[in-house]
Amino acid sequence: VQILESGGALVQPGGSLRLSCAASGFPFNNHAMTWVRQAPGKGLEWVAGMSGRGGGTYYADSVKGRFTISRDTSMNTVFLQMDSLRAEDTGIYYCAKDGTLHITFPENWGQGTLVTVSA
Amino acid sequence: AIRMTQSPSSLSASTGDRVTITCRASQTITSYLAWFQQKPGEAPRLLIYAASALQSGVPSRFSGSGSGTDFTLTISSLQSEDFATYYCQQYYHYPPTFGQGTKVEIK
Repeated sequence: VQILESGGALVQPGGSLRLSCAASGFPFNNHAMTWVRQAPGKGLEWVAGMSGRGGGTYYADSVKGRFTISRDTSMNTVFLQMDSLRAEDTGIYYCAKDGTLHITFPENWGQGTLVTVSA
Repeated sequence: AIRMTQSPSSLSASTGDRVTITCRASQTITSYLAWFQQKPGEAPRLLIYAASALQSGVPSRFSGSGSGTDFTLTISSLQSEDFATYYCQQYYHYPPTFGQGTKVEIK
């Protein structure tokens, strides 16, 4: 299993960013995919998830209405569109393959991509 | 959202010690609980899911127990590579939520 995130950058407050997560080594459509973030020196925060086989999407209250998760099964890739970014969105964003078709526990993690929201 | 509370927030222990970390959920999550280990500069690693199921490749000195609202992670004999921060996560109620973490340091 390989999980590789990209797209992290420095962005101004109010700006947008799109993260990508390329996955390989497992049946992509049979697993939920999840984004988890970690602010500098802080703990883990579950951000968004999408079930496999075109299932539902779910979001943390802190990002609902601003972030959108999607997946392209032809490319085995998951995306996180982040709009109206705030300073408190700063952190490392990890993409993970969940253990089942439905959103459960992140079983395999990427190395993360850094998002910095600052003027 | 379900609140997950870990205790202690940090602990100091020696190699060979038995270490126990607890995690309490604000409402019942049956056995829908996972434990993760994270070392500085690294991504988290899944240790245990379904409260007590050991992830493939994880040493047997790690074990999990509990159901309902109270859970424990036990390291039977602490090794040097186990000094890290540990997180619990519930996935019974959406959105899934993590505990605040427990840092295990060298005594």
